[in-house]
Amino acid sequence: DSGVTQTPKHLITATGQRVTLRCSPRSGDLSVYWYQQSLDQGLQFLIQYYNGEERAKGNILERFSAQQFPDLHSELNLSSLELGDSALYFCASSPQEQFFGPGTRLTVL
Amino acid sequence: AQKITQTQPGMFVQEKEAVTLDCTYDTSDQSYGLFWYKQPSSGEMIFLIYQGSYDEQNATEGRYSLNFQKARKSANLVISASQLGDSAMYFCAMRERNYGGSQGNLIFGKGTKLSVKP
Repeated sequence: DSGVTQTPKHLITATGQRVTLRCSPRSGDLSVYWYQQSLDQGLQFLIQYYNGEERAKGNILERFSAQQFPDLHSELNLSSLELGDSALYFCASSPQEQFFGPGTRLTVL
Repeated sequence: AQKITQTQPGMFVQEKEAVTLDCTYDTSDQSYGLFWYKQPSSGEMIFLIYQGSYDEQNATEGRYSLNFQKARKSANLVISASQLGDSAMYFCAMRERNYGGSQGNLIFGKGTKLSVKP
């Protein structure tokens, strides 16, 4: 158990819809990183938050947004979903090693 | 730009034998971190081992060791005494530079699928 929690574990939705993925970092970790794993793109960094502030952006689409709340949990919002957004979404937290949550498997039909 | 290359899409190893998974990296930074993760078919990403660029000793964690050759920019993972449960995808990753007070994100290679034969 990495100590990073993510909900839900699975999500099935339709094109055009909006979903929210939730992540709680390990106790004491201030950073949250979001990654997307898809068959064609591999593992890609999306966005990082540190103590409530956005710190770095990767290949995150404009349809996607994230935030980190005062209790340090983070949410990744995906809107106007397309078939190609189907992927495994991970969050991670760390002081040094990055420990990953179990992931949310998103299926867009 | 930083890059991680894993040239072995798939590897087979006999149970109880050792196996080396290759990883080369490219960076112009002097300070960086290298990681290996295991992803079984269930999908979770399991942290295995970490090597800092200034660490003089190769990192070891149980049956895992990281063969760090800085001049060659390689960070190969060695798994000793392979077990059936080692069958999984293995990803090499490098941390991008830090942003004042927080650690940078990881960039990943494409992975190597290891199959352990009984």
